[in-house]
Amino acid sequence: DGGITQSPKYLFRKEGQNVTLSCEQNLNHDAMYWYRQDPGQGLRLIYYSQIVNDFQKGDIAEGYSVSREKKESFPLTVTSAQKNPTAFYLCASSIGPRSHEQYFGPGTRLTVT
Amino acid sequence: DAKTTQPTSMDCAEGRAANLPCNHSTISGNEYVYWYRQIHSQGPQYIIHGLKNNETNEMASLIITEDRKSSTLILPHATLRDTAVYYCIVRTHNAGNMLTFGGGTRLMVKP
Repeated sequence: DGGITQSPKYLFRKEGQNVTLSCEQNLNHDAMYWYRQDPGQGLRLIYYSQIVNDFQKGDIAEGYSVSREKKESFPLTVTSAQKNPTAFYLCASSIGPRSHEQYFGPGTRLTVT
Repeated sequence: DAKTTQPTSMDCAEGRAANLPCNHSTISGNEYVYWYRQIHSQGPQYIIHGLKNNETNEMASLIITEDRKSSTLILPHATLRDTAVYYCIVRTHNAGNMLTFGGGTRLMVKP
C-alpha cells in the first residue's frame, strides 16, 4: 500500500530533550511538509521541502529542524528551544510543489512534561 | 492568500445533503478554492478543489458563485462517517503548495 507513515503515534518526552519525529512516504512524491496542530486549532506550517536536499521554513519554524537526505524521508526534530512543543504533528507530501493535492500521514501526538 | 470565513459548527441528518458554506470575499483571480476534512485525531484528507467552475467528484460537489466570493461544499448523502472538521482554503497554485488552515467547520452528522 502506498502512503505516508508517521511513527510513533504517541510520544512522551521530558522537557529539555530533543526528539525526532519520523515521516516516510512511498508515493515517490517530491514535496514534503510538516504541520503542527494545537487543540481546537487549524494546522500551521513548520517546514517544507520541495525536493531532496532542499527545505524552507514555514510560519513557525523556530525551535524545529529538518533534513531531507532521501526523497522518501523527512524527519522533524523538536529541539529544547521550542517553548511549547506539546502538540499534534502532521506530515504531508505532494507529487510536486505545484500539485493541488497534499496527502497527510496519521500524525504523531507529542507530549512534553 | 485570501482569508476564508466558515461557520464554526453545523449539524446534518444522516442521509441528507450537507451544505457547507465558505466566504472568501478577497479572493483574487488566480486563487483556487480547496476543501479538506479532518476526522478526529487523524490527518486531513483532500476532498476537492476548483477555480471558477463547479466541480464534482466521488466525494462531493463544489459550487463557486459567479463572483467567486463564496463557495459551498455539498456532501450529497451524508453518513455518520462524514462527521469531521471541514476546512476551506484559498491559495494560488504557485504558493509553494503551502496550505493555510483556519478553524474550519465542525460537521456533526446525526442519525
